[in-house]
Amino acid sequence: GAGVSQSPSNKVTEKGKDVELRCDPISGHTALYWYRQSLGQGLEFLIYFQGNSAPDKSGLPSDRFSAERTGGSVSTLTIQRTQQEDSAVYLCASSTDQRPGYTFGSGTRLTVV
Amino acid sequence: AQSVTQPDIHITVSEGASLELRCNYSYGATPYLFWYVQSPGQGLQLLLKYFSGDTLVQGIKGFEAEFKRSQSSFNLRKPSVHWSDAAEYFCAVGAGTGRRALTFGSGTRLQVQP
Repeated sequence: GAGVSQSPSNKVTEKGKDVELRCDPISGHTALYWYRQSLGQGLEFLIYFQGNSAPDKSGLPSDRFSAERTGGSVSTLTIQRTQQEDSAVYLCASSTDQRPGYTFGSGTRLTVV
Repeated sequence: AQSVTQPDIHITVSEGASLELRCNYSYGATPYLFWYVQSPGQGLQLLLKYFSGDTLVQGIKGFEAEFKRSQSSFNLRKPSVHWSDAAEYFCAVGAGTGRRALTFGSGTRLQVQP
């Protein structure tokens, strides 16, 4: 597509429920990143996919968080047993080559009540 | 580990005035440096980036930034601010190798007065 697409744009969920956030990167972009932006905070790196390599999961805050990327394209970030501290905007970004410099999606605003 | 400091949390300027947003980084080698802008409810848009070469980088929307290795700085400038520039601005540093993830500063919120 023309840009990085994320869905849903907003998600309200009850504490303890699982949620799935979707990211559709720009066609042909081999690198895909997930970041989290909490209220009034900067961006926190979560996970990085590059081609067929094993993902870099070093930023995932707990084992409740996981992500996959199918067919080298669409990615899904899953949060299990959501907690209130998971409330944030989750941003996805993709890039075309080995050097950073991403295109970001508009994000998914997750609210855990 | 790389890090980025944006010392100004909030800046207010008058429309038409010049702007400089500060960014200092910590990184052991020549970094990749970026400025992003985020309008309310939006994702981040890349304003400009520095990889190598000319240390004065031109970006979109009339912004420029200068890489100063001796000061470990990459300040963003604009000669005349427009009301539409009100947003949050993030500086970021990236590694040339390794996990290729960007480290972001905590952001500077720009308010523009009429």
